Amino acid sequence: SQKIEQNSEALNIQEGKTATLTCNYTNYSPAYLQWYRQDPGRGPVFLLLIRENEKEKRKERLKVTFDTTLKQSLFHITASQPADSATYLCAHLDSSASKIIFGSGTRLSIRP
Amino acid sequence: NAGVTQTPKFQVLKTGQSMTLQCAQDMNHEYMSWYRQDPGMGLRLIHYSVGAGITDQGEVPNGYNVSRSTTEDFPLRLLSAAPSQTSVYFCASSRGQGTVYEQYFGPGTRLTVT
Repeated sequence: SQKIEQNSEALNIQEGKTATLTCNYTNYSPAYLQWYRQDPGRGPVFLLLIRENEKEKRKERLKVTFDTTLKQSLFHITASQPADSATYLCAHLDSSASKIIFGSGTRLSIRP
Repeated sequence: NAGVTQTPKFQVLKTGQSMTLQCAQDMNHEYMSWYRQDPGMGLRLIHYSVGAGITDQGEVPNGYNVSRSTTEDFPLRLLSAAPSQTSVYFCASSRGQGTVYEQYFGPGTRLTVT
C-alpha cells in the first residue's frame, strides 16, 4: 500500500540555523506533493506545493525539493526563528487520484 | 470570509450515543473532506465529497456517516460512539480534488468518548 513517511522524532535546532525535514513515499510516484504547517490546537495550514517536474520551489525562507529518484521531498526553513516552531506535514494524492494521504508530521522546535 | 467553520469545538459523549459534527465553508469549494487526527497517526481520511449529493469513503469510514445536500455544508455523523472514536476531527475544503489544490482546514473538534 502507499505510504508517506516523516521522521516522527522531534527536530530541535538553534535559531538562525537551517531546519531540514524529510518526507519519503513508497509504492507510488505522486505528481504533486504538498507541505502544511500545524500549530497546537489548530488545523493544518497550506504552505507549498511542488510538482514532480519541479526540482525546487521557494517561498520566502521556505524551500521544498522533490527527488523522484529517491522518492523523497525535503522541506527547508532557512534562518529559522522560534516562531517557526510547529508540526510540519507532507501530503500527496494516492494512485486512485481520489484520496489525499498525509504523513504523520515532524515536530520542529527552534530554540532561541 | 469565515473560511471553514466547525462546531462544536469540544464534545464529550458516552459510549453508544450519537452526534453530528458540523462543518461549513463559504468559499464555494466543491471538494470537502473529514479527517481524524490521533497521536503518531497523522491525518486519516474518513469520508469525502466531490460536490453536492456525492460522497465516498476514505481510509477509516466505519462508524461514520456523511451527506452533502448543499455545497456549503458537510456534516459528519457518529452513529453509536465508541471509545476508539476519541480523536480530533478536522473538516477541510478545496476548489477541487487532488493535491494541485490547497486544502483549507477548520479549527477542529476534540471528541472524547467515555
